[in-house]
Amino acid sequence: GENVEQHPSTLSVQEGDSAVIKCTYSDSASNYFPWYKQELGKGPQLIIDIRSNVGEKKDQRIAVTLNKTAKHFSLHITETQPEDSAVYFCAASIGGTASKLTFGTGTRLQVTL
Amino acid sequence: DSGVTQTPKHLITATGQRVTLRCSPRSGDLSVYWYQQSLDQGLQFLIQYYNGEERAKGNILERFSAQQFPDLHSELNLSSLELGDSALYFCASSVLAGDTDTQYFGPGTRLTVL
Repeated sequence: GENVEQHPSTLSVQEGDSAVIKCTYSDSASNYFPWYKQELGKGPQLIIDIRSNVGEKKDQRIAVTLNKTAKHFSLHITETQPEDSAVYFCAASIGGTASKLTFGTGTRLQVTL
Repeated sequence: DSGVTQTPKHLITATGQRVTLRCSPRSGDLSVYWYQQSLDQGLQFLIQYYNGEERAKGNILERFSAQQFPDLHSELNLSSLELGDSALYFCASSVLAGDTDTQYFGPGTRLTVL
């Protein structure tokens, strides 16, 4: 089945700096790649997603890039703010008639003042 | 707020017992997914229902079962509970069971087995 690896496991940046989280996936049939943010005591919240027919997508301070050839995708957060501190998960889905998500192991992002 | 509701928020029970977790999907969503989040296993897909029918199965133990009712809410039943079943259980919903359907997660149920 699909396997998703995520790096780094922890990331500390200063407020205003950029943060980059990287994921690789194993199954070339995967065609949907969402990113979720999870704050303490809450469920994962979708922040951005990208489909395999697109190489890059941006939403304000958040961007995601996808390299299908290399089977990796990345989350970029610019001008980080303290409220960006959370655990971020990447995921991949092969799709078809069922769209279960395979998650990476998560990255704990700490934005310091 | 994703629009997905889960009850109860917390559940404490003993080994060997049986519990039921409940999920109400977002209005209009036909698919419900269950995930387990534990420290050692991360977020793992358990099972998916679409419009009342089982659509996909993941790493779900035989002691666990789920169903989706005509009003589209879903229940996850966990029986013969073991200490290792302690985890956060999330429900997610999406409109369809399609290829790249966006899933929205509920706030979760924290299960503690003593």
